[in-house]
Amino acid sequence: EPEVTQTPSHQVTQMGQEVILRCVPISNHLYFYWYRQILGQKVEFLVSFYNNEISEKSEIFDDQFSVERPDGSNFTLKIRSTKLEDSAMYFCASSDFYEQYFGPGTRLTVT
Amino acid sequence: GESVGLHLPTLSVQEGDNSIINCAYSNSASDYFIWYKQESGKGPQFIIDIRSNMDKRQGQRVTVLLNKTVKHLSLQIAATQPGDSAVYFCAEIAGDTGRRALTFGSGTRLQVQP
Repeated sequence: EPEVTQTPSHQVTQMGQEVILRCVPISNHLYFYWYRQILGQKVEFLVSFYNNEISEKSEIFDDQFSVERPDGSNFTLKIRSTKLEDSAMYFCASSDFYEQYFGPGTRLTVT
Repeated sequence: GESVGLHLPTLSVQEGDNSIINCAYSNSASDYFIWYKQESGKGPQFIIDIRSNMDKRQGQRVTVLLNKTVKHLSLQIAATQPGDSAVYFCAEIAGDTGRRALTFGSGTRLQVQP
């Protein structure tokens, strides 16, 4: 069964550093998403991506964040200058329409 | 993917019993709803979805009920098994606006006692 994959599973970085989280969506899906989940809180939407551009973003997704689909398979989330409050699980998801399938997540720890 | 919420409501059931998990939503423009299961250390796993033009949808051992009048969604799990133990989230989309972003609820922890 096709699935969304994410790397790395755990990323530790120092405050102010740049991180890139990587995702491989399900191959025939057209919509891609990033969500995050701070420990003990609910899953929050960050951004959606369709046809090589951002289609929707939340207030969380400020200028420190960017997304890219550098090739036909990868989908990345970049945080330019990490802050302590960026520590969370980051989930990538993909869909062909509404039904979104999530990856296992990357745990980002900012120290 | 831990949703270790100190304040998560918890439903404790005996193995073999039926479970009912409830969710209230607030956006009357929401027209698509999904139930997700999240096990410790994993991402949300799709269980079942329902569109607003339906009030009931059945899957394998699961049924989702939608009451648009009171903006309420429920997930029924038949013959609950220990493997069903997880946190369950409802999520909604106001799709008629062209949006795709899921808005998640706070979650309910299901504990299945053997």
